[in-house]
Amino acid sequence: IQMTQSPSSLSASVGDRVTITCRASQTIYSYLNWYQQKPGRAPELLIYAASSLQSGVSSRFSGSGSGTDFTLTISSLQPEDFATYYCQQSFSTPLTFGGGTKVEIK
Amino acid sequence: QVQLQQWGAGLLRPSETLSLTCAVYGGSLSGYYWTWIRQSPGKGLEWIGEINHSGSSNYNPSLKSRLTISVDTSKNHFSLRLTSVTAADTAVYYCARKRGADVWGQGTTVTVSS
Repeated sequence: IQMTQSPSSLSASVGDRVTITCRASQTIYSYLNWYQQKPGRAPELLIYAASSLQSGVSSRFSGSGSGTDFTLTISSLQPEDFATYYCQQSFSTPLTFGGGTKVEIK
Repeated sequence: QVQLQQWGAGLLRPSETLSLTCAVYGGSLSGYYWTWIRQSPGKGLEWIGEINHSGSSNYNPSLKSRLTISVDTSKNHFSLRLTSVTAADTAVYYCARKRGADVWGQGTTVTVSS
């Protein structure tokens, strides 16, 4: 299953609302996870099952979608949110990731 | 709180075998799939494969012919073995818990170079 993220990068300011999209090449129902990765660090799980917030993750992160189209939204971008974000389908093996979206400071 | 600690050789020559181990602390292997993921320099994430506590495994077809993932419940750890490595296998390798990876190891940088 191919996962396509867009955009591949974006520039935004602190306080902005940011939306990242992820599209699957076939239906994955709600088997969609979102990760944040900062340089030199392992990725961290933000959202699982398309819309469930991982424990300890800020509520400014939210996920939506089902089937083939999904969205990660950051409601009000904070300085610590500048990072790369990946989607991942966990519906069928081999599990696959999107190409990533790098969120940079405007 | 579950933690994963991984280790293994970081510098390999082409054709050698990559071996990594991931120990699970603060929890059991039971009830989850345990995963290996890698990230080539400056690139995205690639799922390598997974195994559960009973030894049932799934592999990425792109690596399947060279890959073995095993589990040792007595030591509470799981391992990755990738044979005949090339420069294309140079990456940071991570172990993780579950398909929606909620706990990660610290990562091991593996460089393949002659």
